[in-house]
Parts: sequence; C-alpha cells; structure tokens
Amino acid sequence: DADVTQTPRNRITKTGKRIMLECSQTKGHDRMYWYRQDPGLGLRLIYYSFDVKDINKGEISDGYSVSRQAQAKFSLSLESAIPNQTALYFCATSDPGRGTRSDTQYFGPGTRLTVL
Amino acid sequence: GDSVTQMEGPVTLSEEAFLTINCTYTATGYPSLFWYVQYPGEGLQLLLKATKADDKGSNKGFEATYRKETTSFHLEKGSVQVSDSAVYFCALRNTGNQFYFGTGTSLTVIP
Repeated sequence: DADVTQTPRNRITKTGKRIMLECSQTKGHDRMYWYRQDPGLGLRLIYYSFDVKDINKGEISDGYSVSRQAQAKFSLSLESAIPNQTALYFCATSDPGRGTRSDTQYFGPGTRLTVL
Repeated sequence: GDSVTQMEGPVTLSEEAFLTINCTYTATGYPSLFWYVQYPGEGLQLLLKATKADDKGSNKGFEATYRKETTSFHLEKGSVQVSDSAVYFCALRNTGNQFYFGTGTSLTVIP
C-alpha cells in the first residue's frame, strides 16, 4: 500500500464550485505540504503544516485553504474554483527528526484537477 | 528569496549517452540539495541528495556533487537507459525547512 495517498486522482469541475482534495499518509510524519505543478513552472508550494496545530501559507496560497484534521490527514480546498487553478496537485510529507532524515519529502501520486 | 534554477528541456539522448542536467541555487546558509525524479503518471521520488558542501549524492548510476563555491548541484549519469526517461527536478531545503523546486527537465532516451 502507498504511504501517501490522494483522493480523488482526477476531477473535473466548473467555475465557482467548491472542491476539496484529500491527502492521507501512513508514514507517521508530522510535516505535510500541498504543491501545484504547472507546465514550465515546476512545483509551487501552496500551504504547509508542521503539526496539527500549525498551518502556514506558501508561495501561492490565494484562492486556497487547508485543514489538518489529524497527523495523517491534510485537505486542500478551493472555495470557488476558477480555470487558472487547473493543475496537477501533489501532497507531500517529511519527517522533522534529527539529522538527514528530516530532509526528504515523500510525495503522493497527484490529483489532476480541471476547472471548466 | 531562496530559489532553484535548472536547465530547461526537453533533453533527448540516445541510449548509453552521457547525461548532464545543470542546477544552480540561491539560498542563505547551508541548504540541503536534492534531485527528484517523476516518471509518467506518478508523483516525485527522491533520486539522491547531499546535505553539505562537497558531498556527493549517488543512486542508480546518477551522481551530483554539492558545490558551495559555484552554488551548483549538477546531475550526471555516464550511460543513460530508456528506463531513465522521466522529468528531473532539482530542489533545496533551506534552514527553515522550506523546500524549493526547479521547473523540471524532461529527459527522453531513445534506443
């Protein structure tokens, strides 16, 4: 079973709709992240959370919100979707432990979102 | 702010050719540096990493050396295979544990 899972894997929606993307992990990591991937732009950080009570905005948080329901779950919401939010969205986790273990991010398989 | 700049693609090579993908970074202090690989339809996977100057990361025949003096972390492989076809991302983790990714370089290896 995958350590980081995302649902749904694909979603097509209309402008103005509210959308929630969900991420779950079984790695036991405290830190979780949401990125979007666009052609030619690479990955850009939307939000990140270092523990259940800690939420931080990333580079491109406008138009998005998040919820950290538990250590293992981190959801991304688009309150009113717009076409330029069409992208591939990735959830990732990392371990804040000492030494080099804290360095690596583990990614989910991605959610392809299309906003018409 | 911190950032990563990597060589634009796409790159197309014949099997057994030598690969170099350039990556330079901007960051204060001593970031950790990474190369991630993304195969079609999948998420990113860690390929290799280096956490201090002059460290060499290596995995699956790929290598990259952390060069503080040139702020670079170029990815190399001596003999590429068709199975290496993927998108490669250079990334850094800064001292605040924030991650920054390059735009990705698409590699296609033809038989």
